[in-house]
Amino acid sequence: EPEVTQTPSHQVTQMGQEVILRCVPISNHLYFYWYRQILGQKVEFLVSFYNNEISEKSEIFDDQFSVERPDGSNFTLKIRSTKLEDSAMYFCASSEDRPTGSYEQYFGPGTRLTVT
Amino acid sequence: KNQVEQSPQSLIILEGKNCTLQCNYTVSPFSNLRWYKQDTGRGPVSLTIMTFSENTKSNGRYTATLDADTKQSSLHITASQLSDSASYICVVSAHYSSASKIIFGSGTRLSIRP
Repeated sequence: EPEVTQTPSHQVTQMGQEVILRCVPISNHLYFYWYRQILGQKVEFLVSFYNNEISEKSEIFDDQFSVERPDGSNFTLKIRSTKLEDSAMYFCASSEDRPTGSYEQYFGPGTRLTVT
Repeated sequence: KNQVEQSPQSLIILEGKNCTLQCNYTVSPFSNLRWYKQDTGRGPVSLTIMTFSENTKSNGRYTATLDADTKQSSLHITASQLSDSASYICVVSAHYSSASKIIFGSGTRLSIRP
């Protein structure tokens, strides 16, 4: 069964450094998402991406964050100048179409980002 | 304000027993409601998706209900198994003319005891 993959599974970085989290969505999917889950808290939507541009973004997704689909398979989340409070699990997800209908949204296993 | 509230926050039941988890939402305009299962340290896995016109949806031992009038949903788990121990998250989507919002509940942490 096709699945969303994410690398690395765990990333440790120093405060102020830039990190890039990588995701490979399911191949025939058109919508891609990044979510964040701080330890012990609920999942929060960051951004959705469609047709090579941002479709939606939350208040969390400020200028520190950017997303890119550098080739036909990868979908990346870049966090510039990381802060301690960026430590969280970051989930990538993809769906065939917008999640407003009955389209399944498939989540990857997550990347645990630890900022020290 | 768009909100999704889940109850109980946590629940412990014995293996083989049934349980029901609740989700109340104030999201508008409603598009769909999803229940996810999230094992510790893993990504959420979809259990059910319901749109406005659906009031019940089953997936094996999981049955979700939706009352769009009262804006309530429930997830019923039948004959629980140890592997059902996880967080169960209710997620509601709103769709506007040119945008959509996805709002997550805080989840119910379910523990199944042998």
